[in-house]
Amino acid sequence: RKEVEQDPGPFNVPEGATVAFNCTYSNSASQSFFWYRQDCRKEPKLLMSVYSSGNEDGRFTAQLNRASQYISLLIRDSKLSDSATYLCVLDTGRRALTFGSGTRLQVQP
Amino acid sequence: DADVTQTPRNRITKTGKRIMLECSQTKGHDRMYWYRQDPGLGLRLIYYSFDVKDINKGEISDGYSVSRQAQAKFSLSLESAIPNQTALYFCATSSGSTDTQYFGPGTRLTVL
Repeated sequence: RKEVEQDPGPFNVPEGATVAFNCTYSNSASQSFFWYRQDCRKEPKLLMSVYSSGNEDGRFTAQLNRASQYISLLIRDSKLSDSATYLCVLDTGRRALTFGSGTRLQVQP
Repeated sequence: DADVTQTPRNRITKTGKRIMLECSQTKGHDRMYWYRQDPGLGLRLIYYSFDVKDINKGEISDGYSVSRQAQAKFSLSLESAIPNQTALYFCATSSGSTDTQYFGPGTRLTVL
C-alpha cells in the first residue's frame, strides 16, 4: 500500500463549482500535512498547511481526520486559474516530506 | 531572480553518458533535496542534504550520486545514464524538515 494515496482524476468541473479532494495516508505517526499545487510542467508550490482544527484560506478549506487517516481539500467557487494538479504531502518523521502523486483538476468555462 | 535555479533546463543524452544536474539557491536554507517526477508516480526523493557535511539517500538513490559543494549548491550526477532515468528532476530547499519546500523550475532529462 502506498504511503499516500490520491485519486488521480481528472476532476472536470464548471466554473463556480465546489470540488473536494481526499487523500489517505497509511502512517499513523505522520505529524504534519500540506497541500501543494503544481501547474502543468511547472514546479510544485505550497498551497496551504493542514491543521488538526481545519483551516481556511479564501476559497480553500483543508481538513484533517486523524482517526480515519485522511486529509481533504475543498475549493469553492472554482476559477479557471484553479486548474492544476494538487499534491497531498505529509511528514512521516523520516526527515523529508512524502508526496502523493496528485489529483488533477480541470475547471471548464 | 529566482530563489532556486536549476541547470540545464532540458537535456537529451545517450545511454551510458555521465551527466550532472546542478542546483543553486539564494534562500540561505541549509536543507536541499533532489526529486524525480514520473507520470502517475508523483515526486520521489533521490537524495537530501541537511548541510554540507550531511548527505542522505532517499527512496530511489540507485544509479545517482550527489555533491553538496557549498550551502547554496547541490548537484545530482548520473554516472552512466539509462533510459529509465528519463524524467523531470526537481531540486528543492527548506529551512526545516516540515517547513515549506521551495522548488526549482525543474530539469527535463531524456536518455535515449
